Amino acid sequence: ETGVTQTPRHLVMGMTNKKSLKCEQHLGHNAMYWYKQSAKKPLELMFVYNFKEQTENNSVPSRFSPECPNSSHLFLHLHTLQPEDSALYLCASSQGLGGYEQYFGPGTRLTVT
Amino acid sequence: AQSVSQHNHHVILSEAASLELGCNYSYGGTVNLFWYVQYPGQHLQLLLKYFSGDPLVKGIKGFEAEFIKSKFSFNLRKPSVQWSDTAEYFCAVNALDYKYIFGTGTRLKVLA
Repeated sequence: ETGVTQTPRHLVMGMTNKKSLKCEQHLGHNAMYWYKQSAKKPLELMFVYNFKEQTENNSVPSRFSPECPNSSHLFLHLHTLQPEDSALYLCASSQGLGGYEQYFGPGTRLTVT
Repeated sequence: AQSVSQHNHHVILSEAASLELGCNYSYGGTVNLFWYVQYPGQHLQLLLKYFSGDPLVKGIKGFEAEFIKSKFSFNLRKPSVQWSDTAEYFCAVNALDYKYIFGTGTRLKVLA
């Protein structure tokens, strides 16, 4: 499979649940990103990884915990979320940092009940 | 703080009409500028980008954008839109600190 894939595509979870989002890129890129897309808001950058090292944590609450075991995989671990965390979570990758085009996955539609 | 403003949130045009979507950013240093597009049911994808050189850049599907440094603007244009251009368009700025800042997006609907 080519490009950036994300699983699951849809997720409904209660506030006390623990779940994980998975992202995989098949492009040989070195940088990976998590974004949150909410209605009527700009795309919000959450985390950036470059060569598996976290380079950016954009003041994201600790109930979101990223993990990047290698340059091709990125996870977002979720626990004790709030209803306002319901959104589309997008993963992206790029060749490197500093101005490269980003390639986006289809996103995971998360609903917190 | 850096920000990107897209002034038109919803635009409705008839086919063959001309399109211009505004994008302004606030950042005093060197920036890279992008327009991304999200067609219905599809991923966000790059439409065009500006790094340096000619401030008028051409992208896919007949789109172009002009970087006006003095106005901190990077407006997207297309002389004649088609029904298939119906999509959401996002302006993005990437400065030297690597942060990508996106605008809120503009939903374009083209009537056949």
